[in-house]
Amino acid sequence: DVKVTQSSRYLVKRTGEKVFLECVQDMDHENMFWYRQDPGLGLRLIYFSYDVKMKEKGDIPEGYSVSREKKERFSLILESASTNQTSMYLCASSLPQGSYEQYFGPGTRLTVT
Amino acid sequence: GQQVMQIPQYQHVQEGEDFTTYCNSSTTLSNIQWYKQRPGGHPVFLIQLVKSGEVKKQKRLTFQFGEAKKNSSLHITATQTTDVGTYFCAGPSGGSNYKLTFGKGTLLTVNP
Repeated sequence: DVKVTQSSRYLVKRTGEKVFLECVQDMDHENMFWYRQDPGLGLRLIYFSYDVKMKEKGDIPEGYSVSREKKERFSLILESASTNQTSMYLCASSLPQGSYEQYFGPGTRLTVT
Repeated sequence: GQQVMQIPQYQHVQEGEDFTTYCNSSTTLSNIQWYKQRPGGHPVFLIQLVKSGEVKKQKRLTFQFGEAKKNSSLHITATQTTDVGTYFCAGPSGGSNYKLTFGKGTLLTVNP
């Protein structure tokens, strides 16, 4: 059974803190993605990675960075958390060919106070 | 950049009624995917359409891809309470097939 896991289901951080969100997939997928989901705005792509140590900016990369040191792990970093980064963060992975369907993790609901 | 627009944003139906959500892209798509997200859950892949005019069925769900490959629809016949959730369409963007742009989704609620 395919699986994408995220390090935390819920997270509360203070403004200015550095925040790490981790995602692990066990499907040997090359592609991994970070999205944020906000009411009325749908899913917006923050960053994606198509290989180890490779990354590309998505549609809303400002305030975020990512790290992919191993194929199975993709980390999202909030360098200095702000209240407008309060959101649901979803990680996903996919193969680089075929149907490109994305497998999503359960999400991390981050609250920045 | 590419935009994927989805309507309606919300739809409330009585159990047994039909439901349709529509997806329109500003550019021609090589394929379109549909996902379902149950309340409190994460998006789950439903289907991919690739060919112009393609129609695919999954039990009570019918998916269509327009002739011009710029629009798509998902139709549910005789809704059930298990159909509750948000339905998203998504199309490739940025010149790659694996990077997706998602529509904002249609939230379906079903009154039993």
